[in-house]
Amino acid sequence: QMQLVESGGGVVQPGRSLRLSCAASGFSFSDYGLHWVRQAPGKGPEWVAFISFHGTNKEYADSVKGRFTISRDNSKKTLFLEMNSLRTDDTAAYYCANWGGDTGFDNWGQGTLVTVSS
Amino acid sequence: DSRMTQSPSTLSASVGDRVTITCRATHTIGSWLAWYQQRPGKAPTLLIYKASALQSGVPSRFSGSGSGTEFNLTISNLQPDDFATYYCQQSNSYSGTFGQGTKVEIK
Repeated sequence: QMQLVESGGGVVQPGRSLRLSCAASGFSFSDYGLHWVRQAPGKGPEWVAFISFHGTNKEYADSVKGRFTISRDNSKKTLFLEMNSLRTDDTAAYYCANWGGDTGFDNWGQGTLVTVSS
Repeated sequence: DSRMTQSPSTLSASVGDRVTITCRATHTIGSWLAWYQQRPGKAPTLLIYKASALQSGVPSRFSGSGSGTEFNLTISNLQPDDFATYYCQQSNSYSGTFGQGTKVEIK
């Protein structure tokens, strides 16, 4: 069973950086592309970034392009999100998630909260 | 991408009730519509995909319908565990937009 556990969230000042991690277990990590999805307080979720199973293909939402970088370490079964030049509107719970293709996001981690505030 | 609008924003109901949530897309999306449930402090979980297909393990009291631009999520015989917030998502791509959510609360 796919298990995803995020970490690395916290309170950070605008303009600073933060790195999130997502530790995976229960499945063959290197066979799956994975995503980051975020949810601002009181809002619907928003897709943030995708990385292919081998790490060579990456896609980003326009709202984070040029500031966020998704990466993975298949030997450690871990997904990362490097967030630079953080803004107050980046405040959200950040989830790593699996896209089931024809279905939707069918597996989510428990999330890690990022608060950007001075 | 289509913009997804849910109604109502909040719905008050009692255990045993039948409730319906509507999601409208600004452009036709065929049957590419997913529904999620989110309990407070938890991640969303997938309920329905392709507008009407029940995700494995989801109780049969949940059902989805619709195509094109208008979709419904119906919960029959509302149970205490069902008081939560529900989101629709345009699901023809993982970058598809989500609705703003409908909170189902206890009357």
